[in-house]
This record gives sequence, structure tokens and C-alpha cells, in this order.
Amino acid sequence: EEQLVESGGTLLRPGESLRLSCEASGFNFEDYTMNWVRQVPGKGLQWVSGINWNGDSLAYADSMKGRLTISRDNANRSLFLQMSGLRAEDTALYYCARVKEGGGGTDYYYAFDLWGPGTLVTVSS
Amino acid sequence: HSVLTQPPSASGTPGQRVTISCSGNSSNIGSNDVTWYQQLPGAAPKLLFSGLHQRPSGVPDRFSVSKSGTSASLAISGLQSEDEADYHCSAWDDSLSCPVFGGGTKVTVL
Repeated sequence: EEQLVESGGTLLRPGESLRLSCEASGFNFEDYTMNWVRQVPGKGLQWVSGINWNGDSLAYADSMKGRLTISRDNANRSLFLQMSGLRAEDTALYYCARVKEGGGGTDYYYAFDLWGPGTLVTVSS
Repeated sequence: HSVLTQPPSASGTPGQRVTISCSGNSSNIGSNDVTWYQQLPGAAPKLLFSGLHQRPSGVPDRFSVSKSGTSASLAISGLQSEDEADYHCSAWDDSLSCPVFGGGTKVTVL
């Protein structure tokens, strides 16, 4: 069974740092672009960061740029998100998600076809 | 505040048809296809549609999607109690160079 499982979420104080992990199983992890998406409970989804299959291409949401580092370890089928300078507004459920993209021109789509259950990050003084 | 605009809620009785709209601009929906997710209570999102013609196996055919210009819609025909969930739209944004989402629509089965 294809599966993603996040870990590392916890309660922190503003300004602290945290590393989230995501372990993949049941598919060829190294074949896929992987992303982090977050969700404030009861609110919409927000894209956070993405990394291509070999880690050569990285992308970050403008709202968090400079405070994030995404990385992966294909040998151990793992994805990571290092977050620093955490703020109360970073409080959210953080999901690891596998990317499926295709089509072309106006038919191009960028989708997340496999999600983990999420890990909760709470930033509060 | 989300880049794509969805109504916060929609509802219908069992068997009815419910439609959820998703509005964007020329950089996202106007230039790329729309993806839809279903999020059951307490669960992670699940891919419902990736593009107009990409319905993953297991997704009932009572779900359908359409797109026109900078707007898209998800329709649920023959609404069932198990369809009660949050529905999120998304599209790649050429200007922001990232995927963007709507705020989600909570569908209630009355």
C-alpha cells in the first residue's frame, strides 16, 4: 500500500525551530516530486514547499521564504522540512504530499495524489 | 486569504445535485487545469480530479468537473450522505510559480 507518514509536529514557542519528517512506503519514492502543504484547522489548504526527485530544484512559499529548508533522502525514502523563526501564524497541520503532474498548455495540472495524515505544529507563547 | 475563490458552504438533500464554483484569474485557472480534492471530516485531503479528464479509480462518476475561462466547477449528482465533506480546488499559478488553492467549500447533506 502506498503511504506517507509525517512526524515531528509539536508545541513550540515563537522564534523556535523544528524539523518535520515524512516517511514514504509502497512506491518508488525517488521517482516523484514531493511537497509540503499546510492547513490551519477549519481553514483552506496552503502550499508550503516543493522539491524535485533528486533535490536539484527547490521552491518555497513567499510567506515563509528564508525560514524554510526542504530536503530529501531517497535512500531512506524520506522528506524533510526544516522550519526556523516560527510564528503563531505558522500554527497548522502540515501534510506531506506526492505530486502528479501532466497535460500541457491550458490542460497542465499539478496535483497531489497521495497525502499523509499530517503532523500538527503549534506555535504559542 | 486564498488565491482561488470558493463559496464557504453548499448543501442539498439526498439525491439532489450540488455545484461548487472555483474562481481564479488568467495566471491560474485561465492558463492551467483545475484539481479538486475531497476532505472527509478529520481526514487528509484526497484527490478527486486532476484536470478535466483525470478521475482516479474509485471516484464515483456522480462527481463531474467543468471549466470556462477563469472559473471551474465541481458537480455532485445524486448527492449521498457520504459526500458530506470539504471540497478544495487548486491550480498551478504561472505568475506565482506554485500551486494555489481555494478556501474550501463545506458540503452538507440535509
